[in-house]
Amino acid sequence: QKEVEQNSGPLSVPEGAIASLNCTYSDRGSQSFFWYRQYSGKSPELIMSIYSNGDKEDGRFTAQLNKASQYVSLLIRDSQPSDSATYLCAVGLGLDTGRRALTFGSGTRLQVQP
Amino acid sequence: DAGVTQSPTHLIKTRGQHVTLRCSPISGHKSVSWYQQVLGQGPQFIFQYYEKEERGRGNFPDRFSARQFPNYSSELNVNALLLGDSALYLCASSFAAGSYEQYFGPGTRLTVT
Repeated sequence: QKEVEQNSGPLSVPEGAIASLNCTYSDRGSQSFFWYRQYSGKSPELIMSIYSNGDKEDGRFTAQLNKASQYVSLLIRDSQPSDSATYLCAVGLGLDTGRRALTFGSGTRLQVQP
Repeated sequence: DAGVTQSPTHLIKTRGQHVTLRCSPISGHKSVSWYQQVLGQGPQFIFQYYEKEERGRGNFPDRFSARQFPNYSSELNVNALLLGDSALYLCASSFAAGSYEQYFGPGTRLTVT
């Protein structure tokens, strides 16, 4: 079982729709969760962080965390063609580990159709 | 403010050669981490440095080494290059050793032939 799992996609949504991206993780000690956006040929860009159960909203983006189900999601409202990219879910382990390495999923490719 | 900078942007090396990649963190950030990203996968952790000390190491062979300088910049060295080392090498900076919130540089694309 992979430590962080994402559906590779592509996830195709029409412009203006809500895109829903999902991620599951295996380590119950995980404390920090991040979503990165990566355009083709570019480096990952941090777009959302979430640390406690519930929802966190930032503009058109909403991150949702459910630690009991070991599940984190990203909703993108009013999707735009410029949102077309690969979205990487990243998880940080608990504070009892000495290092602060992020474990990434393989990413979900999102395509927003005009 | 300048973000994370990396050099060079692209690099082509031959099997068996050595390579040095460089990274400067965001001003005020003291921790630097290195990741390797092969096509179609997420980044994989290689090293973390804070205050010139190694704070963590991923599952990479001893051919990979790194160091951090007093100005918080960092170098990643890879010896005896293999074809499988071809990847995007990413440097990420964070404010403190205890922070998971990391910001990536543009990366160095390494091709080994």
